[in-house]
Amino acid sequence: SQKIEQNSEALNIQEGKTATLTCNYTNYSPAYLQWYRQDPGRGPVFLLLIRENEKEKRKERLKVTFDTTLKQSLFHITASQPADSATYLCALLTGGGNKLTFGTGTQLKVEL
Amino acid sequence: GAGVSQSPSNKVTEKGKDVELRCDPISGHTALYWYRQRLGQGLEFLIYFQGNSAPDKSGLPSDRFSAERTGESVSTLTIQRTQQEDSAVYLCASSLVFAEQETQYFGPGTRLLVL
Repeated sequence: SQKIEQNSEALNIQEGKTATLTCNYTNYSPAYLQWYRQDPGRGPVFLLLIRENEKEKRKERLKVTFDTTLKQSLFHITASQPADSATYLCALLTGGGNKLTFGTGTQLKVEL
Repeated sequence: GAGVSQSPSNKVTEKGKDVELRCDPISGHTALYWYRQRLGQGLEFLIYFQGNSAPDKSGLPSDRFSAERTGESVSTLTIQRTQQEDSAVYLCASSLVFAEQETQYFGPGTRLLVL
């Protein structure tokens, strides 16, 4: 069956460290993968998109990698700050058309 | 202009009642999506609209769920004869064009509680 898996346990890190979140998928062949941030009580906010022919994408303190062989994307936040605390969701385009299938998200907590 | 707006922000209803949830997309966005997010879970695709094309309803969980969209503006998601398992946050998103790489902009969601 098709699955998108993100670590369901919260990730706690110290301010200034690099946070690394994982998104693994099975039985999909996505053309691209997106990462979103979701704060409590709010809708997701788009962060980054990476295409299948791209290995890495950067935006300010964010970096995303995409390994279509391992079927895995890693999401890195460098020099993390308490304001980075949120739930981070990965999403794949699936089934044709423009339907995004989301993972369950990983909660990140950056502590002082 | 303004982002995607949804109303009501919260809705409490009794089992068996019908509810209507409203979404106002960003002006000019031709694509509109509805998702459901149960507590502690990821987003579940429900339906999307693109311009005047027939909507993709493949994610609707049962025939109690329906949605309409007027042109390229407001959309209404209707849940008939609500059940407790319908309790969730219903999120609406819109995007500028119907394209793979187009960013989806989400509203704040409507929190539905069925008692």
